[in-house]
Amino acid sequence: AQSVTQPDIHITVSEGASLELRCNYSYGATPYLFWYVQSPGQGLQLLLKYFSGDTLVQGIKGFEAEFKRSQSSFNLRKPSVHWSDAAEYFCAVPGDYGGSQGNLIFGKGTKLSVKP
Amino acid sequence: DAGVTQSPTHLIKTRGQQVTLRCSPKSGHDTVSWYQQALGQGPQFIFQYYEEEERQRGNFPDRFSGHQFPNYSSELNVNALLLGDSALYLCASSLVPVMNTEAFFGQGTRLTVV
Repeated sequence: AQSVTQPDIHITVSEGASLELRCNYSYGATPYLFWYVQSPGQGLQLLLKYFSGDTLVQGIKGFEAEFKRSQSSFNLRKPSVHWSDAAEYFCAVPGDYGGSQGNLIFGKGTKLSVKP
Repeated sequence: DAGVTQSPTHLIKTRGQQVTLRCSPKSGHDTVSWYQQALGQGPQFIFQYYEEEERQRGNFPDRFSGHQFPNYSSELNVNALLLGDSALYLCASSLVPVMNTEAFFGQGTRLTVV
């Protein structure tokens, strides 16, 4: 069965420092992979997605993620964190093979705090 | 262009009551999905509606039901509320239920069951 694991519940980084959020997935086919961000009191916003092709994916707000099939990972990175990046981040895979982005399985999320 | 709108934003219900949550999809979208997000957890898929029919369903009991109207808006109904139903309920809309169309999320309805 498909699943997503985000090992880090809470991460704190200093403003301007680099960031890497971990995501491991279990998926029985070539995976589609997603990263979403949720700011307090807000819904989810898509940061980036991987469907196929180049394993390094660029997203919005300066984020990128790298798909590593051998490690079943899709880690999210940002070279320099801004205070406005403080939020909760969710990794996701489709809930059914070849289905839709409306049916996703989410990890439990990683809460990012940014120190001034 | 209005995005996905959900109403109400907050509500409090008593155990055993019934509740109806509403979602208007982003303009031009025809598919609506509902999620439950408990505190400290990721969203969990409840079901998806397309062409006024439930197309996919997650692992939720029959107390959770829904409806989609001809204008593509949707309702989520929960009967016989339990304390454990307290959560943020998110609606997501997309254009046809296929993988290459992005789903957009609303801000959610915070349901508290007391």
